[in-house]
Amino acid sequence: GENVEQHPSTLSVQEGDSAVIKCTYSDSASNYFPWYKQELGKRPQLIIDIRSNVGEKKDQRIAVTLNKTAKHFSLHITETQPEDSAVYFCAAKGSGNTPLVFGKGTRLSVIA
Amino acid sequence: GAVVSQHPSWVICKSGTSVKIECRSLDFQATTMFWYRQFPKQSLMLMATSNEGSKATYEQGVEKDKFLINHASLTLSTLTVTSAHPEDSSFYICSARDQGTDLNEQFFGPGTRLTVL
Repeated sequence: GENVEQHPSTLSVQEGDSAVIKCTYSDSASNYFPWYKQELGKRPQLIIDIRSNVGEKKDQRIAVTLNKTAKHFSLHITETQPEDSAVYFCAAKGSGNTPLVFGKGTRLSVIA
Repeated sequence: GAVVSQHPSWVICKSGTSVKIECRSLDFQATTMFWYRQFPKQSLMLMATSNEGSKATYEQGVEKDKFLINHASLTLSTLTVTSAHPEDSSFYICSARDQGTDLNEQFFGPGTRLTVL
């Protein structure tokens, strides 16, 4: 089955700097790669996703890149703000009606 | 977007008792729902896939006789933790897809925090 690795597990950045989180996946048939932000005690919140026919997607300060050949995808947050502090999870989904498999998460701290 | 609800949002029970958690898709029909468990400071781990009208598919290491799943309608799946013990204390989150519009995006319920004393 699918296996998703995520790095780093913790990340501290100064406010205004950029943050990058990287994930790799194992199933070459995977075709959907979402990123979630989770605050303590809350449900994961989808912040951006990318599908296998696209290499890059951007939404304001957030961008995701996908390299299908290398089977890795990355989340980029620019101009970080203290409210960006949370745990971020990457996930991957195989073909068909299969469930999302999550990475282990990255705890991002933005220091004011 | 599609909305998934869960009930209860939190529950405290004594060891040995059973607890039922409900997951509902409020504005769409879900033939498939997914149940995840999240321990503190860990990731979401898939427990089982719930299929409407048929038996659930459990992930390796998840006891099907302990975690009973019933998906009796297109909008409701239930997870019953039987004979709960303190090690079952966790955050349980359900998820569903609106297969009528997108086969990829999963919508998550708000989660149920279970504490077993």
